[in-house]
Amino acid sequence: AQSVTQLDSQVPVFEEAPVELRCNYSSSVSVYLFWYVQYPNQGLQLLLKYLSGSTLVESINGFEAEFNKSQTSFHLRKPSVHISDTAEYFCAVSAPSGGYQKVTFGIGTKLQVIP
Amino acid sequence: DTEVTQTPKHLVMGMTNKKSLKCEQHMGHRAMYWYKQKAKKPPELMFVYSYEKLSINESVPSRFSPECPNSSLLNLHLHALQPEDSALYLCASSHPSPGTGGYTFGSGTRLTVV
Repeated sequence: AQSVTQLDSQVPVFEEAPVELRCNYSSSVSVYLFWYVQYPNQGLQLLLKYLSGSTLVESINGFEAEFNKSQTSFHLRKPSVHISDTAEYFCAVSAPSGGYQKVTFGIGTKLQVIP
Repeated sequence: DTEVTQTPKHLVMGMTNKKSLKCEQHMGHRAMYWYKQKAKKPPELMFVYSYEKLSINESVPSRFSPECPNSSLLNLHLHALQPEDSALYLCASSHPSPGTGGYTFGSGTRLTVV
């Protein structure tokens, strides 16, 4: 069984300020963790992923997330946000399941960047 | 090609209509998925196809009928829908194991049932 908890449904932050979106997970099997971003009226886009190896993973647009096994967390951070980062962010945990991936999404965190 | 293409982007249909949503990918992914997403909610899994065979049906009403004609195409046939079926319908594809990466989603079809 697996689950994802996103502790904040909405996070308002001023432009150029740092932000952290929190995600905690539970999984009884190997852990594969993802952050997806959804801009208004669009599908979800993969932002970054932890599959194995280095616990710190980075995206091309300045976001990073750190896999912390002892705290079962995978928080998303950015040191300085832009207006264009306004979106819904979903944390997800995935497990193999007989020929497909069984994915559990968190409820999502709406990041609202204030000018 | 690293995209999942969904058509149409928008669809308005009456409760007696029959319509189809289409999804196409050319990434060699052998797992394909249909999700339904309501406003301000995470996506909800509807169907999973693995190697062109239906693996999961999450107790979806029979007015939704999936089809996987080949490894690149996924359809969702709609018939006699209800207004509460109005939502964003997302298609996704992936390799079977998450160890090779996560989902690739299409941009979705915004469905309105009137």
